[in-house]
Formats: sequence, structure tokens, C-alpha cells
Amino acid sequence: EVQLVESGGGLVQPEGSLRLSCAASGFTFNNYVMSWVRQAPGRGLEWVSVVSGGSESTYYADSLKGRFSISRDNSKSTLYLQMNSLRVDDTAIYYCARVADDYHSSWGQGTMVTVSS
Amino acid sequence: QPVLTQSSSASASLGSSVKLTCSLSSGHSGYSIAWHQQQPGKAPRSLMKVELSGSYNKGSGVPDRFSGSSSGADRYLTISNLQSEDEADYYCETWNRTSRVFGGGTKLTVL
Repeated sequence: EVQLVESGGGLVQPEGSLRLSCAASGFTFNNYVMSWVRQAPGRGLEWVSVVSGGSESTYYADSLKGRFSISRDNSKSTLYLQMNSLRVDDTAIYYCARVADDYHSSWGQGTMVTVSS
Repeated sequence: QPVLTQSSSASASLGSSVKLTCSLSSGHSGYSIAWHQQQPGKAPRSLMKVELSGSYNKGSGVPDRFSGSSSGADRYLTISNLQSEDEADYYCETWNRTSRVFGGGTKLTVL
């Protein structure tokens, strides 16, 4: 069974940094593209970033303007999202998702990030 | 990059059927999409991928009541024999080589 467990969320002040982690199990991690998707309170889903299986390619939503960095450690079956220069409007639940057959086919339960002074 | 348009809300009676629409922007009518369900307070769950041809491929455990179809730039999710647990937000998603995008979501109310 595919399992994705996010961690690392919490309360951070504006301009602060946070690193999210997503521990994967139940599948061969390095064979899959992995992604981060977020959801602000009361809003819809917003794609954040994606990384290829071997980390050769990474892509980001234009709105992030270089503040976020996605990475993965295949030896640990773990996906990361480094978030810098955080803003109030980055407040959201951050979901880790596995990409299979081109789309987000499995989702974690999410971790809440709150940016507030 | 493609844009996906969904109605903000829909409603249907218990036991009836409902058809949700996801419209692809001009120039992107050939794209495949995926449907996701998000029940209140829960994480999203993927339902299926729908191709331009109308063929669809459901995820594991998705009930037979859920089906997909396509017409031109529109992709559909049909839910038959509506149950109370189908009351949820439904999002469509599409992708290209460098980005992914979600529609704004449709809030489905089961009456």
C-alpha cells in the first residue's frame, strides 16, 4: 500500500524558513516523479513543485519566484520542500503526492504551514 | 499553459446521477485530465484519468459509480446512484512537461 507521510509544518514568522519532509513507503520511490501541492484555508488546490525520479529535473510554479526548492533522497525514500522568505500567503496545507500515469495518483495527509507574526 | 474551468457548485439528489464538467482552455483541447475528490476535512483522493478519446482509467478502489467521458475541450466526471459520502469538492488537473494546474473545483452537494 502506498503511504506518504508529511512532516515539518508549523508556525513560522514572515521571512522565515521551513523544510517539509515526506516519507514514502509501499512502492519503489526512485521510480516515481514526486510533487508538492498546497491548499490555502478555504481555497482550492495549487501545484507547487515537481521532481523527477533521479532528481534530474525540477519544476516550480511561477508564483513561487525562486523561494522554494524541491529535493529528494532516494536512499531514504523521502521528499523535501525547502521554503525560504515565507509570506503570509504561503499559509496552507502542503500535500506530498506521487505522480503515476502523468497525474497525482496518491496523496499524503498533508502538513499545515502557518506564516504569521 | 493550460487553464481549467469548473463550475463552482453543483447539487443532485441522493440516488440520482450528476455530471461534472472540466473545460480546457483554447489551444489545449487535446490534453488529458485527472479528477480528484476531496471530502470535507480530508486530503484529496485521485479518482481517474480521462483522455481526449473519452477513455478513462480509474484508480484503485474507486467505485463503479464513477465514470469519465470527453467531448471536445470538455472532460466529464459522472457519478451515478449518488451517496451521501459523495458530497465533496471535485478538482480536475492537467499537466505539461514543466507544470501542472488544477481547476478551481466544484463543490457537490447531495440533497
